Amino acid sequence: DAMVIQNPRYQVTQFGKPVTLSCSQTLNHNVMYWYQQKSSQAPKLLFHYYDKDFNNEADTPDNFQSRRPNTSFCFLDIRSPGLGDAAMYLCATSTTPLGRPGPLRTIEQFFGPGTRLTVL
Amino acid sequence: AQSVTQLGSHVSVSEGALVLLRCNYSSSVPPYLFWYVQYPNQGLQLLLKYTSAATLVKGINGFEAEFKKSETSFHLTKPSAHMSDAAEYFCAVSDPQNRDDKIIFGKGTRLHILP
Repeated sequence: DAMVIQNPRYQVTQFGKPVTLSCSQTLNHNVMYWYQQKSSQAPKLLFHYYDKDFNNEADTPDNFQSRRPNTSFCFLDIRSPGLGDAAMYLCATSTTPLGRPGPLRTIEQFFGPGTRLTVL
Repeated sequence: AQSVTQLGSHVSVSEGALVLLRCNYSSSVPPYLFWYVQYPNQGLQLLLKYTSAATLVKGINGFEAEFKKSETSFHLTKPSAHMSDAAEYFCAVSDPQNRDDKIIFGKGTRLHILP
């Protein structure tokens, strides 16, 4: 089945130790998103890629970076995790080929299962 | 600018009773509207979406929602609650003209099902 995959599901890191979270998709979608979700809160968009174009949200800390080496993979790098960065990190995809041939626009976003990050 | 307001951070209903989760939106353009469900330690799953076709939208698991432009509402209902419906529910809005399909989420409503 086509899907969004996140690895690992649970990640433990130490304060200040860089960590990378992974997302892959078999949907061939051109847009990929990273969200941070803290307990009992709505997901907060950190950034997204429209194809190779990186779009950072204005309030995303510099501590968070992202890479998208190809259509299928996207990585979230936290350079120096703090205790406040402990959260669920969600990856999502969609496809929005406005004005160009390709698969129909999905409109909604498809979410992976998330990675729960613990910072010790 | 777009926004979503979900009334009630927690809603409790008895098993078999009607489920009603409220959502009001604000948008300067005709919006797309969504309801997502999130079970503990899981990602978000789409329940249903409104994309300017039928105003009454049927989704998965017996849920439906009605788009009411005059009330700027998109409330989620289910006739008979089941224990497995206990989860967090998010209403969301997007701008159809936005190429990136960015979604604005409400703060969520946690649904509790009482036996």
